[in-house]
Amino acid sequence: SQQGEEDPQALSIQEGENATMNCSYKTSINNLQWYRQNSGRGLVHLILIRSNEREKHSGRLRVTLDTSKKSSSLLITASRAADTASYFCATAGYNDMRFGAGTRLTVKP
Amino acid sequence: GEEVAQTPKHLVRGEGQKAKLYCAPIKGHSYVFWYQQVLKNEFKFLISFQNENVFDETGMPKERFSAKCLPNSPCSLEIQATKLEDSAVYFCASIPSGTGVQPQHFGDGTRLSIL
Repeated sequence: SQQGEEDPQALSIQEGENATMNCSYKTSINNLQWYRQNSGRGLVHLILIRSNEREKHSGRLRVTLDTSKKSSSLLITASRAADTASYFCATAGYNDMRFGAGTRLTVKP
Repeated sequence: GEEVAQTPKHLVRGEGQKAKLYCAPIKGHSYVFWYQQVLKNEFKFLISFQNENVFDETGMPKERFSAKCLPNSPCSLEIQATKLEDSAVYFCASIPSGTGVQPQHFGDGTRLSIL
């Protein structure tokens, strides 16, 4: 089954800076989704990009998808301390969805 | 309800004991998914249900793990004869309908500690 792999595993930045996280996968997908996990909580859906889309924006989030390279990136602009969390990409096939190991983002005030 | 409700929040069992976890999906959601997260790492898919029917069980360990979703009852995940390696946070998620590729709504998980 396909599974996203995030890179880097951990990222530490200052408030106000941009944060970029990458996700690679191995098989064809229906869509790719990004989720956030705050400590002690479940995943919260952030954004979904379909396989025929190349870029999508939602507030301070920008997601790109390159199906030829089987990769995606999540950019968080003007980061805030409240963005501190783990971020997971999930690759959705026809009937299933699989998650990667996540990127742990720390935003220092 | 409006949220996926998982109970209990924490569960402690001695090795070899049985553990049973519960999940109430959002009202009206017909698909339920179970995941295992070990040490805050990746979410390992275990099993999914479409109403009370198993939809995909490719991630379920062959032994000791079982799950059910019965009408008018919370879904459950049961682990028989628990092992230390079963220590993890178990998450449940639900979606309204369709395939498993829609955004999923997650509960806050049950932390299972095997001593």
